[in-house]
Amino acid sequence: DSGVTQTPKHLITATGQRVTLRCSPRSGDLSVYWYQQSLDQGLQFLIQYYNGEERAKGNILERFSAQQFPDLHSELNLSSLELGDSALYFCASSLSARDRDADTQYFGPGTRLTVL
Amino acid sequence: DQQVKQNSPSLSVQEGRISILNCDYTNSMFDYFLWYKKYPAEGPTFLISISSIKDKNEDGRFTVFLNKSAKHLSLHIVPSQPGDSAVYFCAVNYGGSQGNLIFGKGTKLSVKP
Repeated sequence: DSGVTQTPKHLITATGQRVTLRCSPRSGDLSVYWYQQSLDQGLQFLIQYYNGEERAKGNILERFSAQQFPDLHSELNLSSLELGDSALYFCASSLSARDRDADTQYFGPGTRLTVL
Repeated sequence: DQQVKQNSPSLSVQEGRISILNCDYTNSMFDYFLWYKKYPAEGPTFLISISSIKDKNEDGRFTVFLNKSAKHLSLHIVPSQPGDSAVYFCAVNYGGSQGNLIFGKGTKLSVKP
């Protein structure tokens, strides 16, 4: 158990809909990262938050957004869903984005999103 | 273009022998390297890491080697056990204040009893 929790475990929805994925980082970790794993693309970085502020953006679509709340949990919002958004979405956390020794990221179990 | 490449999609090894998983990267600015193991229906699990100031890091049965001149990383598992059967991802960190990782596409290791 990595200490990172994600809900829900599975999500099935229709095209055009909007969903919210939730992540609680390990106790004490300030950074939260979101990754997408689709069948042919491997793990792709989406976005990072550090202590409530956006720190880095990767291949995140404009239809997707995220935020990190004062209690450090994070939500990833996916809207106007398309079939191609079906994937595993992982959240990871680390103590700090700046401290090199603490850069190890610990991953949650993921949310499997299926768009029909 | 892929910045991190794991050229072997799969590897099969006999129990007790050595497993060697390889990873190549393109950017010499990368300064922190990690290996993750992933079982089906679970998130990646951190295994071992190495910073660019070292060329070897060992943790029990797992050793990571870094060859900066060749931009090559390898993970050695000795001795291999059936429970090591999983997908192994190489990941690199860009350095600086951003912490996001760039992952290879993974190598599926099968350890046969």
